[in-house]
Amino acid sequence: SYDLTQPPSVSVSPGQTARITCSGDPLSKKHAYWYQQKAGQAPLLVIYKDTERPSGVPERFSGSSAGTTVTLTISGVQTEDDAEYFCQSADSSATSVIFGGGTRLTVL
Amino acid sequence: QVQLVQSGAEVTKPGASVTVSCKTSGYAFNNYGITWVRQAPGQGLEWMGWISSYNEKTNYAQKLQGRITMTTDTTTTGYMELRSLTSDDTAVYYCARTVGAITLYFDHWGQGTLVTVSS
Repeated sequence: SYDLTQPPSVSVSPGQTARITCSGDPLSKKHAYWYQQKAGQAPLLVIYKDTERPSGVPERFSGSSAGTTVTLTISGVQTEDDAEYFCQSADSSATSVIFGGGTRLTVL
Repeated sequence: QVQLVQSGAEVTKPGASVTVSCKTSGYAFNNYGITWVRQAPGQGLEWMGWISSYNEKTNYAQKLQGRITMTTDTTTTGYMELRSLTSDDTAVYYCARTVGAITLYFDHWGQGTLVTVSS
């Protein structure tokens, strides 16, 4: 099991908005980070510190936070966004890194 | 540009050890830590631990304590040794450049190294 809970799968059509949630008690006090992992590739950081977007990541990726839940939103989804998405934070004592179980985003 | 290049795939037997290297370039090595993350086939990401490239301080995942050692050459390369391997250790192992002091995160990743444990 994982310390952070994500839905196993989300499906959207191109051009729609995809929202992927991540829930867990540590998120009320610790920042969240989001990674995109395409098949056969290493993860890629797409959101850091809940809402910040690294340079080079498209503007359609955004993050938000409310209490113990954080959300990755992809507006105007494109076929290239078809991937697994993982959230990450730290445990309550900040001694360990924790990941969510991952959400498979399918762009139909 | 920032790059992390890992050593090649390994096939090893139960009970043996494996060492994976992670050669970095394009940034000041001592300004960032290195984290190791693994991913078993078809599974999610598992944090293994972290090493400070500045002072070699380490923090290992509790379930791996006693079996894992992370080191660096203090200039460009990080190493992860895992001992007493079982089939459960079969996974792709990633190194990642580590940012942050309290909540760590990973802004550049190596390409991954497949470690297969099989008799």
